[in-house]
Amino acid sequence: GAVVSQHPSWVICKSGTSVKIECRSLDFQATTMFWYRQFPKQSLMLMATSNEGSKATYEQGVEKDKFLINHASLTLSTLTVTSAHPEDSSFYICSATRLGRGSSNGNTIYFGEGSWLTVV
Amino acid sequence: GEDVEQSLFLSVREGDSSVINCTYTDSSSTYLYWYKQEPGAGLQLLTYIFSNMDMKQDQRLTVLLNKKDKHLSLRIADTQTGDSAIYFCAESSTGGYNKLIFGAGTRLAVHP
Repeated sequence: GAVVSQHPSWVICKSGTSVKIECRSLDFQATTMFWYRQFPKQSLMLMATSNEGSKATYEQGVEKDKFLINHASLTLSTLTVTSAHPEDSSFYICSATRLGRGSSNGNTIYFGEGSWLTVV
Repeated sequence: GEDVEQSLFLSVREGDSSVINCTYTDSSSTYLYWYKQEPGAGLQLLTYIFSNMDMKQDQRLTVLLNKKDKHLSLRIADTQTGDSAIYFCAESSTGGYNKLIFGAGTRLAVHP
């Protein structure tokens, strides 16, 4: 089953409103999570690094005041798209890393199922 | 900066082998990944390879890494229609803690 869960999977919101997307690690703690965005027929682009207990680190060109990231616990990061516009319509997906246990296992990156945002 | 490049489209006949190629620029890449994305779905990790390996095989999947040329390939043996999807190559320089840099994705179409 999924070890990283996103919610909601689909959301439609009106232009000018805000929408929150949650990313949860289900059976492990993640001090760092990542948020990506994927426009139709394009690749995934890293938006920001979510750091538990501190400010997120945003990639160049990503507006931090528009895409608010909060990582209040070791299992939850949230992405809030504020004052959404139709051009924000996209597929948003998060990832979290589960640390390897012992020398024989490496770290594993897990992705959430993704969230489709449509702004009308 | 870091860059990952892939060919955008590949068409193969059912039962043939598919080879998807990827090049990257970051010589400090430690881990290289292949993900599969089906229409309207999230990402599925297919396999990954450490940079100190040349090859990794997992059932129908074979990953070849040429670190000198910074070239990575994914071979799918006996390609099936269910393999039709977009395949993303990605690199990470610090083995999972850090961000992934994705290629543009290769759209694999499998026809009868």
